[in-house]
Amino acid sequence: DIQMTQSPSSLSVSVGDRVTITCRASQSIASYLNWYQQKPGKAPNLLIYAVSSLQTGVPSRFSGSGSGTDFTLTISSLQPEDFATYYCQQSYSTPYTFGQGTELEIK
Amino acid sequence: QVQLQESGPGLMKPSETLSLTCSVSGGSMSRYYWSWIRQPPGKGLEWIGYIYYTGTTNYNPSLKSRVTISVETSQNQFSLKLTSVSAADTAVYYCARLIAVAGRDDWFDPWGQGTLVTVSS
Repeated sequence: DIQMTQSPSSLSVSVGDRVTITCRASQSIASYLNWYQQKPGKAPNLLIYAVSSLQTGVPSRFSGSGSGTDFTLTISSLQPEDFATYYCQQSYSTPYTFGQGTELEIK
Repeated sequence: QVQLQESGPGLMKPSETLSLTCSVSGGSMSRYYWSWIRQPPGKGLEWIGYIYYTGTTNYNPSLKSRVTISVETSQNQFSLKLTSVSAADTAVYYCARLIAVAGRDDWFDPWGQGTLVTVSS
């Protein structure tokens, strides 16, 4: 199985901050990487697919980049509604695997 | 707009068989893959498996010996069966549509709201 490792596991941030979350794959996954946002008690919601394509309705302050084994999710200016847990997911091969999540906390 | 809704028992005893159904509304199941994903309380996400509308399946090897996913397109539903459950299977179970565009570009969207299944004696 391909292991996905996110860093950090949690991050204390303030509204307006620029936030970068990293996701590293245990082997090259080319550009087959997606990002999800999950709020407490809710299902995950697709944010970005294929590394950098924003899902319809996702604000442009979210962006993704990377290839091979190293990927990043960036939030350019954190808004109150962005406090959540973020997961990366690889689709290079089954079993599909997710990172362990990065929780954004209010500083 | 496609919506998914899970249904099934919330409490089970060890060794029983978990059965969940996902109802799909607002769109056709044809030409899509349909998946189950679970999340133990306070933990991360684990992909269980998927089924194509034609019935082709792919399961996570870690669960393959205990999992069966089936589809009933005429009823716009697909189902999960997990045998011999234990406390380790306690989780929120989500159903989701798997978008498979081309090559290996696959992602989950949308997701159902999830249903908590607790295994306890």
